[in-house]
Amino acid sequence: DTGVSQNPRHKITKRGQNVTFRCDPISEHNRLYWYRQTLGQGPEFLTYFQNEAQLEKSRLLSDRFSAERPKGSFSTLEIQRTEQGDSAMYLCASSLLIGGGAYYEQYFGPGTRLTVT
Amino acid sequence: DAKTTQPNSMESNEEEPVHLPCNHSTISGTDYIHWYRQLPSQGPEYVIHGLTSNVNNRMASLAIAEDRKSSTLILHRATLRDAAVYYCILSSNSGYSTLTFGKGTMLLVSP
Repeated sequence: DTGVSQNPRHKITKRGQNVTFRCDPISEHNRLYWYRQTLGQGPEFLTYFQNEAQLEKSRLLSDRFSAERPKGSFSTLEIQRTEQGDSAMYLCASSLLIGGGAYYEQYFGPGTRLTVT
Repeated sequence: DAKTTQPNSMESNEEEPVHLPCNHSTISGTDYIHWYRQLPSQGPEYVIHGLTSNVNNRMASLAIAEDRKSSTLILHRATLRDAAVYYCILSSNSGYSTLTFGKGTMLLVSP
């Protein structure tokens, strides 16, 4: 299966530490999205890339958050100086944008669950 | 993006049809209606989408009201594997931009 993969699946860290998550999208998908989901809520958009370019960032993405997609393939999401409020599931999704009126469903990974103690 | 309203939860029995409603009274003429679902401990997955006409695929059917202010996701025969949170989402494009999820409807399926 060559779906979206995310690593690690779980991360426990202490407040103030930095963490980095990785997302490997479906091969050849040019769009990659990051979402965050807290308990009982739907996913909230954080940011997305088209190839290596970061095209949009949510106001939820504070200065402590940074995302990269250096070669237009995998992406990393780093959180610096973690806070307890950062505890959530971080979801990655990818899609293939080719134009011509096609529909572009997003394929989601299983997520990385972050717990900040 | 326009807002959607869904019931918090619904219950169904296995092998019965399920109709999941979604109200979107402020929908604009170019908004697509997307449905995603999230099984326990998994990321969301695409179910179906539509613009104006009713749609069918192997997973479900989407019935869109004539005025487009509401839609209904139809699962023809619910199985235990269909127990999930179902999200109705509007976006002003065919899915390539970001998705704005609400809280969705939690579907419980009993054997």
